[in-house]
Amino acid sequence: GAGVSQSPSNKVTEKGKDVELRCDPISGHTALYWYRQSLGQGLEFLIYFQGNSAPDKSGLPSDRFSAERTGGSVSTLTIQRTQQEDSAVYLCASSQYRSYGYTFGSGTRLTVV
Amino acid sequence: KNEVEQSPQNLTAQEGEFITINCSYSVGISALHWLQQHPGGGIVSLFMLSSGKKKHGRLIATINIQEKHSSLHITASHPRDSAVYICAVTGNQFYFGTGTSLTVIP
Repeated sequence: GAGVSQSPSNKVTEKGKDVELRCDPISGHTALYWYRQSLGQGLEFLIYFQGNSAPDKSGLPSDRFSAERTGGSVSTLTIQRTQQEDSAVYLCASSQYRSYGYTFGSGTRLTVV
Repeated sequence: KNEVEQSPQNLTAQEGEFITINCSYSVGISALHWLQQHPGGGIVSLFMLSSGKKKHGRLIATINIQEKHSSLHITASHPRDSAVYICAVTGNQFYFGTGTSLTVIP
C-alpha cells in the first residue's frame, strides 16, 4: 500500500484479556518500529525490527508485551493480560533504513476497561 | 535528565510570525527527526537530519552536530501550523523530546 496501515484503529478490551495489534509497513521498508503514546505523554519507543536481524526489544515495558514480524513485512504487537496502564495509542512506523525518514501509521487506540 | 530537551514547551504566536523551536540532545546520534502531531491526528515526519540544513516549504530544520543542537523554524506562520512538534533522535536507542505545543493565532 501507499502508507503504513494499522489495525484495528480502535480497540476496547477488558482488563486481563490479550490483544493483538497489527502493522502493515510500506512495501520494501526494511525497518519497522512500534511506539506508544499515553494520554498527555510523549512518544515511548517499544521495539524495532531491521530486516532479518534480531529485534531491539529494549523499550518493551514488561514481559506481557511481545512483537513479531513475519516474512520481513507485517508485524504484530501482542499484549497479554492487559492492564489499565496499557491504555494508549500504539503507533507503528517504517523506514527504508534505520536512519531514513519515518512514515507513521495512524495508530491503534487501545482502551483497557 | 532527559536525553532530548526541547524548548519552549508551549508557544503562542500571531499569524505571520517567524517561529523557532529548539532541541538539544546529550547522546551520540545517527540522525535527528522532527515530527508534527496535530490535535487528534496522526504523526507526520517532517525532517530527518544528520548534518546541515533542510528546507521544505515554510519549514527549515538545522542541526549542529558539534553542539548537539537542532532548530526547527517556521516562516510566515499560519494557524494550520498549530500542532505539537517533537524532536527525536536515533542512536543506540531511540529518544524523544516531550514536544513543543504551538498555537498560531489568526
